Amino acid sequence: RKEVEQDPGPFNVPEGATVAFNCTYSNSASQSFFWYRQDCRKEPKLLMSVYSSGNEDGRFTAQLNRASQYISLLIRDSKLSDSATYLCVVNPFGTSGTYKYIFGTGTRLKVLA
Amino acid sequence: DTEVTQTPKHLVMGMTNKKSLKCEQHMGHRAMYWYKQKAKKPPELMFVYSYEKLSINESVPSRFSPECPNSSLLNLHLHALQPEDSALYLCASSPGGTNEQFFGPGTRLTVL
Repeated sequence: RKEVEQDPGPFNVPEGATVAFNCTYSNSASQSFFWYRQDCRKEPKLLMSVYSSGNEDGRFTAQLNRASQYISLLIRDSKLSDSATYLCVVNPFGTSGTYKYIFGTGTRLKVLA
Repeated sequence: DTEVTQTPKHLVMGMTNKKSLKCEQHMGHRAMYWYKQKAKKPPELMFVYSYEKLSINESVPSRFSPECPNSSLLNLHLHALQPEDSALYLCASSPGGTNEQFFGPGTRLTVL
């Protein structure tokens, strides 16, 4: 089993749709979780950190389910500009700070006009 | 200043050349990273510097040589590269080991 797994997609959705991505991780001791977005031929940009209580930033909501070892990203009212690859990132060793972040393979989203 | 800068943006080099990639951050971050990214793949960790000391080397070939001259700068020296080393090289920094990483725009390297 991979340490961090994502559905590669692509997810093709119409503008205005709601879309959800899941990401599973294998190390139950993991403490830090992040979602990044990456546009074609650009660097990954931090979208959200994911906290135990869940967090929301405008149209984006991230949640953590420790029991099932997955994190999710929900995008409401999709815009054309949301088209990108969404990377799930896990720091498997949390507070011990080993600096080694594990990246999922990314989920491609295409929002269609 | 909340960004990571990288130079050059693009680099084309022959297999016998020696070149260096440069990364700089002025956010006071104590950890800096080099990643390699091939098309349609996630970034692949190469090196981590923590407090200016090399803390992780992911079994990278010796033709890649990192250097951290001070807390703001990170270099990657390249020598005798192979065509399969062509990729996007990303630098990142973070305040510590569990925090968010911030990426520079990358250097797109082509080895002929």
